[in-house]
Amino acid sequence: DSGVTQTPKHLITATGQRVTLRCSPRSGDLSVYWYQQSLDQGLQFLIQYYNGEERAKGNILERFSAQQFPDLHSELNLSSLELGDSALYFCASSVRPGLAGETQYFGPGTRLLVL
Amino acid sequence: AQSVTQLGSHVSVSEGALVLLRCNYSSSVPPYLFWYVQYPNQGLQLLLKYTTGATLVKGINGFEAEFKKSETSFHLTKPSAHMSDAAEYFCAVSPSGSARQLTFGSGTQLTVLP
Repeated sequence: DSGVTQTPKHLITATGQRVTLRCSPRSGDLSVYWYQQSLDQGLQFLIQYYNGEERAKGNILERFSAQQFPDLHSELNLSSLELGDSALYFCASSVRPGLAGETQYFGPGTRLLVL
Repeated sequence: AQSVTQLGSHVSVSEGALVLLRCNYSSSVPPYLFWYVQYPNQGLQLLLKYTTGATLVKGINGFEAEFKKSETSFHLTKPSAHMSDAAEYFCAVSPSGSARQLTFGSGTQLTVLP
């Protein structure tokens, strides 16, 4: 158990819908990362937050957005869902960016299936 | 931009045999390198990482990796495979700077044969 929690574990929805994925980082970690794992794209970095502020953006679609709240939990919002958005979405946390080679601790993931 | 190449999407070894999973990276600056393992239906778990200093890095479960700058490689090895090592393994690189997002390789599925 990494200490990172993600809810829900599984999500089935239809095309065009909107979903919210939730992540709680490890106690004491200030930085949250979101990754997408799909069969065709592999593991891709989406976005990073540090202490409530966006720090870095990767291959995140405009239909996707995220935020980190004052209690440090984060939400990833996916809208206008398409079949190709079906994937495993991971959240990871670390103490803070800037530490040399800091370890990112991954949650168990949310498996999203868009029908 | 940084990138990671993992040679061999599937590797099979016999129980007790040497495990060798290959990873090559591309980076314009000295990178930080990581190996993660993913068991079925689970998240990623850190096996080991290289930041600075000693180039031979020892990790959990008997795994180790050697950073070879001249070869831009960070191959993962284990002297003797166990059935419990069957999983998918990901090599990742992290850039310098204050944002440390990981760039992952495509993964290597390790099968351990009895």
